[in-house]
Amino acid sequence: EDQVTQSPEALRLQEGESSSLNCSYTVSGLRGLFWYRQDPGKGPEFLFTLYSAGEEKEKERLKATLTKKESFLHITAPKPEDSATYLCAVKSGYSTLTFGKGTMLLVSP
Amino acid sequence: DAGVTQSPTHLIKTRGQHVTLRCSPISGHKSVSWYQQVLGQGPQFIFQYYEKEERGRGNFPDRFSARQFPNYSSELNVNALLLGDSALYLCASSFRFSNTGELFFGEGSRLTVL
Repeated sequence: EDQVTQSPEALRLQEGESSSLNCSYTVSGLRGLFWYRQDPGKGPEFLFTLYSAGEEKEKERLKATLTKKESFLHITAPKPEDSATYLCAVKSGYSTLTFGKGTMLLVSP
Repeated sequence: DAGVTQSPTHLIKTRGQHVTLRCSPISGHKSVSWYQQVLGQGPQFIFQYYEKEERGRGNFPDRFSARQFPNYSSELNVNALLLGDSALYLCASSFRFSNTGELFFGEGSRLTVL
């Protein structure tokens, strides 16, 4: 059974204070690791797909990296508008996505 | 272009009642998935439909059922509601069944069971 663990559960940063979110996973035959952003009361919004160890993807202030056991979402010089819950999910075989519980990020001005 | 649309956005039911939630995928998308998100948790997979056929089912009781129509829209039905069914129900669409995991989610239907 695929498992995804995200840490920390919540993170509070000052504007401009860089940090990283962690996603540890256990999966039989990784077919992809996905990061989503979810604003309160909204559906998740796709951010990145990573397929193999060593792969990196960037989008504005966000950079996602992947190893064989975990993924990191690095946030550089965050702004208040980056405040959201960040969800990590994995896909194995032809299964659907297995999500973690998410990290709630709050960036204060 | 319109994104994934879900209705109703909010609803309140009492235990034992039945509920139907509706979803219209992005135009051209043939796969629809349903997820349940309990407060403080990540989304949990319920069903996936592709070309009107069920292609996957999560670990949910038989009280949960779904179907996909010829126009690729979908309904999720839940019978004999329990307090624990209170959650945000998310619909997601993608173009293919063997999708890349890049799902497009609607804003969800918030169900409260009293």
